[in-house]
Amino acid sequence: QLVLTQSPSASASLGASVKLTCTLSSGHSSYAIAWHQQQPEKGPRYLMKLNSDGSHSKGDGIPDRFSGSSSGAERYLTISSLQSEDEADYYCQTWGTGPWVFGGGTKLTVL
Amino acid sequence: EVQLVESGGGLVQPGGSLRLSCAASGFTFSSYWMHWVRQAPGKGLVWVSRINSDGSSTSYADSVKGRFTISRDNAKNTLYLQMNSLRAEDTAVYYCARDGDYPDYWGQGTLVTVSS
Repeated sequence: QLVLTQSPSASASLGASVKLTCTLSSGHSSYAIAWHQQQPEKGPRYLMKLNSDGSHSKGDGIPDRFSGSSSGAERYLTISSLQSEDEADYYCQTWGTGPWVFGGGTKLTVL
Repeated sequence: EVQLVESGGGLVQPGGSLRLSCAASGFTFSSYWMHWVRQAPGKGLVWVSRINSDGSSTSYADSVKGRFTISRDNAKNTLYLQMNSLRAEDTAVYYCARDGDYPDYWGQGTLVTVSS
């Protein structure tokens, strides 16, 4: 079964960097994922598609501070030079022949 | 500029019905599969349903199968979700999303509250 696992929370200081992790379930380590940001009281926003080889393509207007990388079944979202507006929920999501699958989300707090 | 604007949410009693709409603009609507995704209060994103580009194929989450119907009008650039036999657990913000294999554009959402 295709499952995405995320840590429920993360925190980092203003101006610092943070790396969020999304783990694909066993047997699905070759899958691409997408990262989405959801700021408080807003709809989600597509950030990037991230392939298993670490290559990624970002959505319109996504700053260079957002980058992605991969290692095995792990997919990462790195945000550098953290700003207050980066405080949000971050969801990973993948797709196969069935429905879209979402991770549980990581709530990022900017200290 | 791609825009997706949902409407039709509101307060409905258990067992009632509601139809959501998603007005699309800024892209060739008829070329894209579309999805509905929902988010219960304080919870994460959950896929609800999808429809292919010409409306001939649909798919649903088990939790809504037999109660919800997704459809589209490509002439009006509009996606719909007909929700019948609503339950308290259907209370959520409902988002429409464009399918670029993944949701590459999202709407702002419309809130559906099922309560007596």
